[in-house]
Amino acid sequence: NAGVTQTPKFQVLKTGQSMTLQCAQDMNHEYMSWYRQDPGMGLRLIHYSVGAGITDQGEVPNGYNVSRSTTEDFPLRLLSAAPSQTSVYFCASSGQVYNSPLHFGNGTRLTVT
Amino acid sequence: GESVGLHLPTLSVQEGDNSIINCAYSNSASDYFIWYKQESGKGPQFIIDIRSNMDKRQGQRVTVLLNKTVKHLSLQIAATQPGDSAVYFCAENRPQGGKLIFGQGTELSVKP
Repeated sequence: NAGVTQTPKFQVLKTGQSMTLQCAQDMNHEYMSWYRQDPGMGLRLIHYSVGAGITDQGEVPNGYNVSRSTTEDFPLRLLSAAPSQTSVYFCASSGQVYNSPLHFGNGTRLTVT
Repeated sequence: GESVGLHLPTLSVQEGDNSIINCAYSNSASDYFIWYKQESGKGPQFIIDIRSNMDKRQGQRVTVLLNKTVKHLSLQIAATQPGDSAVYFCAENRPQGGKLIFGQGTELSVKP
């Protein structure tokens, strides 16, 4: 049972490039979310999904897109990378939308130059 | 805006002592709270949770206390061990939309 798997682990982009951060979970969880973690800022919610075909914005959605075509996968797209998007990105899932702990992946460290 | 925050960014304790990590939250509608532990290079790991209809919950060596009157949450770790060294985050579940909002984190350092 792999849990939440994120790829790649590390990525360097140039300003203006686009890329997709992959996230997959094998726990049949309905709820999935993306956070970014910056020094001194804790984890901030980017986007989340309460089930296949449903997504919504979190605290810091600008510059990111998501889709949820299957229960297992929840990719995060950076449309035009900016240095301000340099961060560590975590994907997480939970079995229920409310009152259920999140299971996190090990993160993707992204640097935008 | 409303936020979840921690009182202390760092905490240093002696091995074997008890640790107390505090957290303040400002959204009185939040009904579920979680403590996470994050080790370097890894994702946050669930420690313990508590619902708003409780004021105390115990796990293995950990206890979470919730004071809704002053909107305060604490994590107590008994007999702290070197393996407990990590950053600890509290998080609150906002009822609207199922959003889990995290505090800044406290770095716990255990001295042998």
